[in-house]
Amino acid sequence: DAGVIQSPRHEVTEMGQEVTLRCKPISGHDYLFWYRQTMMRGLELLIYFNNNVPIDDSGMPEDRFSAKMPNASFSTLKIQPSEPRDSAVYFCASSPADSYEQYFGPGTRLTVT
Amino acid sequence: SQKIEQNSEALNIQEGKTATLTCNYTNYSPAYLQWYRQDPGRGPVFLLLIRENEKEKRKERLKVTFDTTLKQSLFHITASQPADSATYLCARPRGDDYKLSFGAGTTVTVRA
Repeated sequence: DAGVIQSPRHEVTEMGQEVTLRCKPISGHDYLFWYRQTMMRGLELLIYFNNNVPIDDSGMPEDRFSAKMPNASFSTLKIQPSEPRDSAVYFCASSPADSYEQYFGPGTRLTVT
Repeated sequence: SQKIEQNSEALNIQEGKTATLTCNYTNYSPAYLQWYRQDPGRGPVFLLLIRENEKEKRKERLKVTFDTTLKQSLFHITASQPADSATYLCARPRGDDYKLSFGAGTTVTVRA
């Protein structure tokens, strides 16, 4: 398996623009997680899904952030409008139902100017 | 709140020595703790999971302990090599078994 796939790997955008990050989890994994990593705050869980259903979105910073999982092989994290403080590395991870191990993608480095 | 703390930001050791990293948690003991490795520019990679009822777990040159009295996990890299240089993160479940809180990480540098 190719592992968790994220796109784009790098995104540079201007404040106020909409940003969409994409993730393809490992086939057969039931759980999908979105994280954000910054030097100041470390690795933070934003939202996670089980079988395509959002279970906990308490980590989503504000209404500008939204996530969807329309099917088992695809998820998006959208920021609209983006702000400079959203600059971070965003990771997607997936996990099988019978394990707590999480498999991380390579991340998307987002820079908002 | 259920915090998890890694005491050292950085650890520099000589090749061949044992690196020991500490992870402390607050409040109730979690059902398990996990350890991940993260290299620059990459996502974390799962290394080990130790359950509350396990005192010690090993994988090759890695050893993890779980002390519920001290509310602490120790992560050891024995016979360290320069290739072990990376940031190591510990994580605990928070609220439910699938939601993880990560420590800030300890960056290990192994000198040849």
